[in-house]
Amino acid sequence: DGGITQSPKYLFRKEGQNVTLSCEQNLNHDAMYWYRQDPGQGLRLIYYSQIVNDFQKGDIAEGYSVSREKKESFPLTVTSAQKNPTAFYLCATGTGMNTIYFGEGSWLTVV
Amino acid sequence: GENVEQHPSTLSVQEGDSAVIKCTYSDSASNYFPWYKQELGKRPQLIIDIRSNVGEKKDQRIAVTLNKTAKHFSLHITETQPEDSAVYFCAAADSNGGSQGNLIFGKGTKLSVKP
Repeated sequence: DGGITQSPKYLFRKEGQNVTLSCEQNLNHDAMYWYRQDPGQGLRLIYYSQIVNDFQKGDIAEGYSVSREKKESFPLTVTSAQKNPTAFYLCATGTGMNTIYFGEGSWLTVV
Repeated sequence: GENVEQHPSTLSVQEGDSAVIKCTYSDSASNYFPWYKQELGKRPQLIIDIRSNVGEKKDQRIAVTLNKTAKHFSLHITETQPEDSAVYFCAAADSNGGSQGNLIFGKGTKLSVKP
């Protein structure tokens, strides 16, 4: 919702480059998530963090990395090891009761 | 782990008709079932959710029903309007924590409401 800010909105990556997507929240939510969305594939979990300085792999973590040094921030790095990174990336936050709220999303394209 | 199947993948209705989207889940421990609406190019937004201690929940033209025995839940939209056109996602989670507490999403249903 309004308290989750993702940037940039659009990002172009060259082959072999690492890129970092930013996600900041001011909702004071403990949990933060990164999802990837491809056409017809729904939403797939990349990484999640339930608390500062701790994070866990989701279903499609290969080729991605994250950090959670602050409660408000959960950046996602798409590394060169991710061979098909073109997708819509959604950051989300949660209160711990399963309900999650999404940011506006970031479009990543490989050029 | 949990697996969520969603049907149909596309649904076209006439304005004013009802629309029903169905989901099944595999993990009997799941007890939280939200529905999200995603308009083209925008983020998914929570429109309604249900927990396993109730069988039905309504919010104006939207309702969700849950059958825990059969492990399926459905979204019902009555008196559809063109602005209901979007992709709808169902999801399931076990709210008792751990990695099982993460939402598992269906693949989505693209609803088109024709004026």
